[in-house]
Amino acid sequence: KQEVTQIPAALSVPEGENLVLNCSFTDSAIYNLQWFRQDPGKGLTSLLLIQSSQREQTSGRLNASLDKSSGRSTLYIAASQPGDSATYLCAVLQGGSEKLVFGKGTKLTVNP
Amino acid sequence: EAQVTQNPRYLITVTGKKLTVTCSQNMNHEYMSWYRQDPGLGLRQIYYSMNVEVTDKGDVPEGYKVSRKEKRNFPLILESPSPNQTSLYFCASSARFQGDEADTQYFGPGTRLTVL
Repeated sequence: KQEVTQIPAALSVPEGENLVLNCSFTDSAIYNLQWFRQDPGKGLTSLLLIQSSQREQTSGRLNASLDKSSGRSTLYIAASQPGDSATYLCAVLQGGSEKLVFGKGTKLTVNP
Repeated sequence: EAQVTQNPRYLITVTGKKLTVTCSQNMNHEYMSWYRQDPGLGLRQIYYSMNVEVTDKGDVPEGYKVSRKEKRNFPLILESPSPNQTSLYFCASSARFQGDEADTQYFGPGTRLTVL
């Protein structure tokens, strides 16, 4: 059974710092991996999607990488801002079953 | 505006009283799914649908039913709700199999359900 783990569970950084969020998964048979942002009491917003054949994706200050063979992905946030404060979730679309499996998220706080 | 809508947004009900949470998307997406989010357990998939009349169980399907009679709608049915189904529910959709970016999942705003 696919398991997705995100470390750390919470992270607090000063504004302007570059940071890395980690996501690992146990079964490398995935179609893709997606990073989401969730603000308190709100729905999820997709940030980046990486297909299993890709190594990384970039959007603005965000860069996500995928190493499928080792079961790891990272989300890099450059020059963090207080508006980046949210919970970040990663999810893998499981090959063969079409199930989407989520990690429990990393709660990020960026302090002014 | 492209979106996934859910109704109701908030619901308080009693044990055993059948209820339906509606989900609708206006993006002509094939793939739709339901999740529940609970503290400490994260988001877990309840059911998903690859297309009209095609549904399959996720990781926590017990106590729930779904139907996909139209492409745009994917209602979640709780035939006999119990307190352990108190949760925040999300519906999502994606175009799946229509190009790399089509796999992006779009989420609805959530339905907070309380079963007394």
